[in-house]
Amino acid sequence: AQKVTQAQTEISVVEKEDVTLDCVYETRDTTYYLFWYKQPPSGELVFLIRRNSFDEQNEISGRYSWNFQKSTSSFNFTITASQVVDSAVYFCALSEPSDRGSTLGRLYFGRGTQLTVWP
Amino acid sequence: EAQVTQNPRYLITVTGKKLTVTCSQNMNHEYMSWYRQDPGLGLRQIYYSMNVEVTDKGDVPEGYKVSRKEKRNFPLILESPSPNQTSLYFCASSPRRGTEAFFGQGTRLTVV
Repeated sequence: AQKVTQAQTEISVVEKEDVTLDCVYETRDTTYYLFWYKQPPSGELVFLIRRNSFDEQNEISGRYSWNFQKSTSSFNFTITASQVVDSAVYFCALSEPSDRGSTLGRLYFGRGTQLTVWP
Repeated sequence: EAQVTQNPRYLITVTGKKLTVTCSQNMNHEYMSWYRQDPGLGLRQIYYSMNVEVTDKGDVPEGYKVSRKEKRNFPLILESPSPNQTSLYFCASSPRRGTEAFFGQGTRLTVV
């Protein structure tokens, strides 16, 4: 079973629309970490955010915001007023420190959501 | 500048011809790992290393080898590449549990 599920394979929006990327995770650990990465067309992976399981406060960074809800095992990512430069594949990932040798070396990634923002 | 460097960035090779993809980090990180990215599958871990001379299998280790003789380097070795190893490969390093993983630029490998 997938530890991280990103049900939206592709999303298309028009510039200035708000868009939310869903991420649902599965873990038995009480301590874990969640991440979002962005992969632009150039291919590199860009770190966006890390959240530990004890911090349920939502976070906002400019046009980006994240909604962490342990009750539903979700860590959703919203882009407000989307721009063409936001077009990329976005990955959600989970780290379980109790996993032998997990550390950060064992990130479980979702399959990614391809976001296309049209001008 | 803190970075993870992979080489080569692009490689086309033939089935069975041994190859090595190098990975080096300049941040003195203990933890390093390799992932492969395939369309529709996301990134999957191949191998990881918790420190020098300490390596272990990830989720898709078949057909790959690694070594960690120095803290900064973590090469990925394909002894006998096959077409199903055509993929985009990423090396990553991180300093400790739960912190950000730094990724290399990726190596796009094609095996024909």
